Amino acid sequence: QKEVEQDPGPLSVPEGAIVSLNCTYSNSAFQYFMWYRQYSRKGPELLMYTYSSGNKEDGRFTAQVDKSSKYISLFIRDSQPSDSATYLCATSYNFNKFYFGSGTKLNVKP
Amino acid sequence: DAGVTQSPTHLIKTRGQQVTLRCSPKSGHDTVSWYQQALGQGPQFIFQYYEEEERQRGNFPDRFSGHQFPNYSSELNVNALLLGDSALYLCASSFFGETYEQYFGPGTRLTVT
Repeated sequence: QKEVEQDPGPLSVPEGAIVSLNCTYSNSAFQYFMWYRQYSRKGPELLMYTYSSGNKEDGRFTAQVDKSSKYISLFIRDSQPSDSATYLCATSYNFNKFYFGSGTKLNVKP
Repeated sequence: DAGVTQSPTHLIKTRGQQVTLRCSPKSGHDTVSWYQQALGQGPQFIFQYYEEEERQRGNFPDRFSGHQFPNYSSELNVNALLLGDSALYLCASSFFGETYEQYFGPGTRLTVT
């Protein structure tokens, strides 16, 4: 079983839609949860990180962690064509070693 | 503020050869991690360097080795290249102990023929 599972998509939505991206993880010891955005032929860009359970909001982005179900979510409100990218979830328990999902490709249509 | 830089951008090597990839961390960062990202996959952790020592290692063979220099820059070396080593190699930098906030470089795309 992989440490982090992520639906590869692709996910296609119209501009202005609310997008929900999700991951599940296997190890309950994971404490830190991150979301990255990766444009084609670029390195991943850190969007948000959260510690333990709960929600964290940053502009149009909300990250949510449910440790009881080992579920990580990223919500994007008022999605824009510029949000079209691959979104990667990642997790860690010791700061030094990170486990990434395989990424979900998002396409926001104008 | 300079971000993470990597060189070269692209590289083509032949099976069995050796390759060295280079990374300069974001200004002020002291920790460098290396990742391998195969096409259509998420990054896989290779190892992390802090204070010129390998602190953590992922599930990669000894053919993959690294080094960190006193100025915090780092190199990734891969010996006896295999076709399966073809991938995007990413470097990420951070402050030690705050590696949940790591910043990635643009990567080096390695093709092994």
